[in-house]
Amino acid sequence: DAGVIQSPRHEVTEMGQEVTLRCKPISGHNSLFWYRQTMMRGLELLIYFNNNVPIDDSGMPEDRFSAKMPNASFSTLKIQPSEPRDSAVYFCASSLEGVREETQYFGPGTRLLVL
Amino acid sequence: AQKVTQAQTEISVVEKEDVTLDCVYETRDTTYYLFWYKQPPSGELVFLIRRNSFDEQNEISGRYSWNFQKSTSSFNFTITASQVVDSAVYFCALSERNTGNQFYFGTGTSLTVIP
Repeated sequence: DAGVIQSPRHEVTEMGQEVTLRCKPISGHNSLFWYRQTMMRGLELLIYFNNNVPIDDSGMPEDRFSAKMPNASFSTLKIQPSEPRDSAVYFCASSLEGVREETQYFGPGTRLLVL
Repeated sequence: AQKVTQAQTEISVVEKEDVTLDCVYETRDTTYYLFWYKQPPSGELVFLIRRNSFDEQNEISGRYSWNFQKSTSSFNFTITASQVVDSAVYFCALSERNTGNQFYFGTGTSLTVIP
């Protein structure tokens, strides 16, 4: 079975540009999470969705960040405009909520570098 | 307050030594889940184990074992006869029933196994 799929795997962009990160969760999973990992702050939860609805976006750093989940098999995280401090690895994870499993399975991550 | 504490930032061991990674958690929920993830140098986050709060049995999987003790709020991870391939950052995480699927990650322990 395919795991969580993220694209692109690497992104290099210039300050001020728009960046869109994409995620396809594991089929059948109804919860999706976006995380950011940096050396300074470790793993931070940015936002999570349940049944395509954003449940908690308190981790989103500021208005430059936005996330959508138009359907059960696709989500995007957008940064506009990007800044050098946004450079990090962005992970998407999915889980099956409602049963006792609740394990989050992570995608390979997108390494973002903003120059 | 930190819900998950991994006090060991970095550990180095010589191959074939045993090593224990500590994890202490904090929660008021009676139902919760504990996890360990491995992040090898390639960067992906690999799920290792999930434990629920009602199951204090220790778990063994090959060279890996986990010791869950509610009395000390600890969920420690031991690698027996360590190998170079065990070199990675290991994260402990907590999920509380009352806060949905949110994960609280520790800051990680970087393990280096020296050949």
